[in-house]
Amino acid sequence: AQSVTQPDIHITVSEGASLELRCNYSYGATPYLFWYVQSPGQGLQLLLKYFSGDTLVQGIKGFEAEFKRSQSSFNLRKPSVHWSDAAEYFCAVGAYSSASKIIFGSGTRLSIRP
Amino acid sequence: SQTIHQWPATLVQPVGSPLSLECTVEGTSNPNLYWYRQAAGRGLQLLFYSVGIGQISSEVPQNLSASRPQDRQFILSSKKLLLSDSGFYLCAWRTGDRAQPQHFGDGTRLSIL
Repeated sequence: AQSVTQPDIHITVSEGASLELRCNYSYGATPYLFWYVQSPGQGLQLLLKYFSGDTLVQGIKGFEAEFKRSQSSFNLRKPSVHWSDAAEYFCAVGAYSSASKIIFGSGTRLSIRP
Repeated sequence: SQTIHQWPATLVQPVGSPLSLECTVEGTSNPNLYWYRQAAGRGLQLLFYSVGIGQISSEVPQNLSASRPQDRQFILSSKKLLLSDSGFYLCAWRTGDRAQPQHFGDGTRLSIL
């Protein structure tokens, strides 16, 4: 069955420091992968998506993610975080067993140290 | 462009009362629609999804039900709320193409007293 693992529940980084959020997936074919961000009390906003082609994907707000098939990973990165990046981040994979569902990871909460 | 509307934003209900949360999508036709629940500090739990009018798939047995009376309208209901129904409810839509992401509404914060 498809699954998504975000091993870090909570990460704290200093403002201006680089960021990497980990995501590992289990999938039987070429996955469709997504990263979302959720600010407190808000819905989820799509940061970026991977379907095929270039394994380094650029998203909004200066985020990027790299698809590594050999490691079954799709880690999210940002070279320099801002205080406004504090939020919950969700990795997700499009499920092949159903044309409708997306499987979400459990999320990583990002805190920014001033 | 497509937009998704969810209301109300906040709701406080007594135990045993009924519930109706509404979600509508504009700017697209025949969307796939989803209801999620998010407990405090937790991830997303898929409750229901729908690929067409009158077609509802339930992911977990529970006190809630969903209906899709129109193409772009998705309703989450309960006849009698339980304390455990408290949470943050999110509606989402996507096209039928599984390569496309889901797009989320702003959510409804439901508190049961």
